[in-house]
Amino acid sequence: NAGVTQTPKFQVLKTGQSMTLQCAQDMNHNSMYWYRQDPGMGLRLIYYSASEGTTDKGEVPNGYNVSRLNKREFSLRLESAAPSQTSVYFCASSVYENSGNTIYFGEGSWLTVV
Amino acid sequence: AQKITQTQPGMFVQEKEAVTLDCTYDTSDPSYGLFWYKQPSSGEMIFLIYQGSYDQQNATEGRYSLNFQKARKSANLVISASQLGDSAMYFCAMRVNSGGGADGLTFGKGTHLIIQP
Repeated sequence: NAGVTQTPKFQVLKTGQSMTLQCAQDMNHNSMYWYRQDPGMGLRLIYYSASEGTTDKGEVPNGYNVSRLNKREFSLRLESAAPSQTSVYFCASSVYENSGNTIYFGEGSWLTVV
Repeated sequence: AQKITQTQPGMFVQEKEAVTLDCTYDTSDPSYGLFWYKQPSSGEMIFLIYQGSYDQQNATEGRYSLNFQKARKSANLVISASQLGDSAMYFCAMRVNSGGGADGLTFGKGTHLIIQP
């Protein structure tokens, strides 16, 4: 009953270091997303992938890159981490339908950049 | 662009009382979906309820109901008979069904609900 799995759960980085957040879903969903959540804010969309092989920028894409490796996996990369990227990151997935559908979230990854 | 507004940063409610969490939205698209999520202190995002823009009836899921007033662009969450375990952040979100692919949810800033014994 895995759903959406993201790793690592916690990470501390030094400014300028790089890292990749991994996300995998086992629900055969077409669409996958990366969000960040900052104190006092809702979740903001970083990047999304409507289907395998496609990715698009969301509201706050600067400083990030993504890869939709296959239908199951969608990774988020920070090439040169900055303190402003300290946040909680959520991966999510959904089956896209015109009538709308539930979006399932992973448990979150707490990233601190010092 | 889509926008979600939650005007209540925090609420204190007595246990067993009903709670209404406010949410207004703004979009020019006729086809959209409205969601409510609960985020307890442990951090995970828990889906509560969904309302489609063309749904004729208000959505209900157990103790949760969504008071959908399309003309007023509001989608308030009602929790009946509140419990201590309902204490959490609650987020209203919207997804526009623009066709051609899913472009994610737009979230409000959330309401921090505290249930008092």
